[in-house]
Amino acid sequence: GAGVSQSPRYKVAKRGQDVALRCDPISGHVSLFWYQQALGQGPEFLTYFQNEAQLDKSGLPSDRFFAERPEGSVSTLKIQRTQQEDSAVYLCASSLVVTSGGFGEQYFGPGTRLTVT
Amino acid sequence: AQKITQTQPGMFVQEKEAVTLDCTYDTSDQSYGLFWYKQPSSGEMIFLIYQGSYDEQNATEGRYSLNFQKARKSANLVISASQLGDSAMYFCAMRGHFGNEKLTFGTGTRLTIIP
Repeated sequence: GAGVSQSPRYKVAKRGQDVALRCDPISGHVSLFWYQQALGQGPEFLTYFQNEAQLDKSGLPSDRFFAERPEGSVSTLKIQRTQQEDSAVYLCASSLVVTSGGFGEQYFGPGTRLTVT
Repeated sequence: AQKITQTQPGMFVQEKEAVTLDCTYDTSDQSYGLFWYKQPSSGEMIFLIYQGSYDEQNATEGRYSLNFQKARKSANLVISASQLGDSAMYFCAMRGHFGNEKLTFGTGTRLTIIP
């Protein structure tokens, strides 16, 4: 079946521009996550949705970052007034909800590489 | 707070040899999960193996096994009979208790297999 898809794969933005990054999770996956991966580092958590509810946004670095998942499937990560330090790969992942019988393996998309000039 | 430490920035291993990638963790949760992911140069994160904190046996998946030592808070990945296609970045990650679904990643180890 289809995996997690993200678009665009590459985005170049001038400092101060707004950008929107899209994530299409695996069909039926309730949980959706956004991570930010700086060059040479491990991914860092940004935010988490269960269906349309944003349960954790503690990793969003500033109020310029906003995420939504209005119908519980596709999600958009929006960054307003981009800064150079926002340059990174933005990874989206989806999973089934962890139950007593499962462990919530997260399936990742290919990422969007954002470069702010 | 959860923390993952990977102390090997890079490793070089001869093809067909076994390799161990180190991972230590810190958490106050009694229930947690440990994951290993592979990230080739293409950038996608590929799930390799999972170990639950209450699992008594070490996890195995094909050529991958996880050496879980709970008292030492370590979860090392062992790759047997390494192949050229194993060259990639490897990340150890932790998920907290049920309801705390996010993953905390280490800084990764770049593994290079030498023919």
